[in-house]
Amino acid sequence: AQKVTQAQTEISVVEKEDVTLDCVYETRDTTYYLFWYKQPPSGELVFLIRRNSFDEQNEISGRYSWNFQKSTSSFNFTITASQVVDSAVYFCALNHGSGYALNFGKGTSLLVTP
Amino acid sequence: EAQVTQNPRYLITVTGKKLTVTCSQNMNHEYMSWYRQDPGLGLRQIYYSMNVEVTDKGDVPEGYKVSRKEKRNFPLILESPSPNQTSLYFCASASGGPNSPLHFGNGTRLTVT
Repeated sequence: AQKVTQAQTEISVVEKEDVTLDCVYETRDTTYYLFWYKQPPSGELVFLIRRNSFDEQNEISGRYSWNFQKSTSSFNFTITASQVVDSAVYFCALNHGSGYALNFGKGTSLLVTP
Repeated sequence: EAQVTQNPRYLITVTGKKLTVTCSQNMNHEYMSWYRQDPGLGLRQIYYSMNVEVTDKGDVPEGYKVSRKEKRNFPLILESPSPNQTSLYFCASASGGPNSPLHFGNGTRLTVT
């Protein structure tokens, strides 16, 4: 069975602080795919990144970076120099390597205050 | 513009009154799915469809029906809504492969009184 755990329910930071959102997953598959989605206060769900199980390279996109570590089954998301516009709920999700059965974590609500 | 369109955005209804939430995508995606989002529970899958005429249950299918008669449309049907189906619903589509990200509609907030 697949499972995604986002242990941090809510995080509050002051603007310009760095913040890391944790994601731990469980799967028996050797091929799987990990995703992060953002849900801003307006409610829509926006795809941020995808990572394949066989590609452990970390990725940086502007102020966003992702650290994928198979050894600890984690796919953590770091926002550097946070901004108020980063306030949102962030979801980590896992799909196994065949078919489509995406499991979402319960989300982490990030509040960035000025 | 590539998008997933859900209607309506907001719906208030009474217990037992059948309703349909429509979902349409213009990206020729094979895979479509419905999720509900509830506080503290995250996103849970209701039903999904791998292609036309192929649908399957997700994690919380009770009380819902779907159909996939055309590739672009995937309506969610509540035959007899109950208050525990009050939720935020999202339709999503993907190109089909397991590495494909989901494209979400804007959501439908349903209240059943």
